Amino acid sequence: RKEVEQDPGPFNVPEGATVAFNCTYSNSASQSFFWYRQDCRKEPKLLMSVYSSGNEDGRFTAQLNRASQYISLLIRDSKLSDSATYLCVVNRGGYQKVTFGTGTKLQVIP
Amino acid sequence: DVKVTQSSRYLVKRTGEKVFLECVQDMDHENMFWYRQDPGLGLRLIYFSYDVKMKEKGDIPEGYSVSREKKERFSLILESASTNQTSMYLCASSSTEPYEQYFGPGTRLTVT
Repeated sequence: RKEVEQDPGPFNVPEGATVAFNCTYSNSASQSFFWYRQDCRKEPKLLMSVYSSGNEDGRFTAQLNRASQYISLLIRDSKLSDSATYLCVVNRGGYQKVTFGTGTKLQVIP
Repeated sequence: DVKVTQSSRYLVKRTGEKVFLECVQDMDHENMFWYRQDPGLGLRLIYFSYDVKMKEKGDIPEGYSVSREKKERFSLILESASTNQTSMYLCASSSTEPYEQYFGPGTRLTVT
């Protein structure tokens, strides 16, 4: 089983739709979690950290479910500019124990 | 605002050449990383460094070496470039906690 798994997509959604991605992780000792966004042929950029209590940043909401070992990202009112690949990142503790998922591609359609 | 810069955006080298990729960060971060990214394989860690002159192997260190002589600079060296090292190379840096990584723009290396 991969350490971090994501549905590669693509998720094709109309503008204004709500879309959610999940990311599962295998190591129950994982301590911190992040979502990154990567545009085509660009570098990954930090979108948001994922806290135990969940967190929200505008149209984006991240949740952590430790019991089932997954994190989620919810995007409301999708914009064309949200089209990108979303990478899930899991840290097992320490700078060297970071694992990136392979990403979920989102395409928002006019 | 964290800034991570890489010496080249695009690079074309011949098989057998020695290749240097440089990365500089301006946020006084302790940790620096080199990744390569290939379609379908995601980001794979080559080497990382947690202090000046300190380095540790990541998941795919074969064929690569690194150098960190100053805190802000982390270099990746391909001792003898091969065609299977054609890839996008990404440098990142992070502080000690909470380990959020910030990436440079990447170097797309083609080895012919």
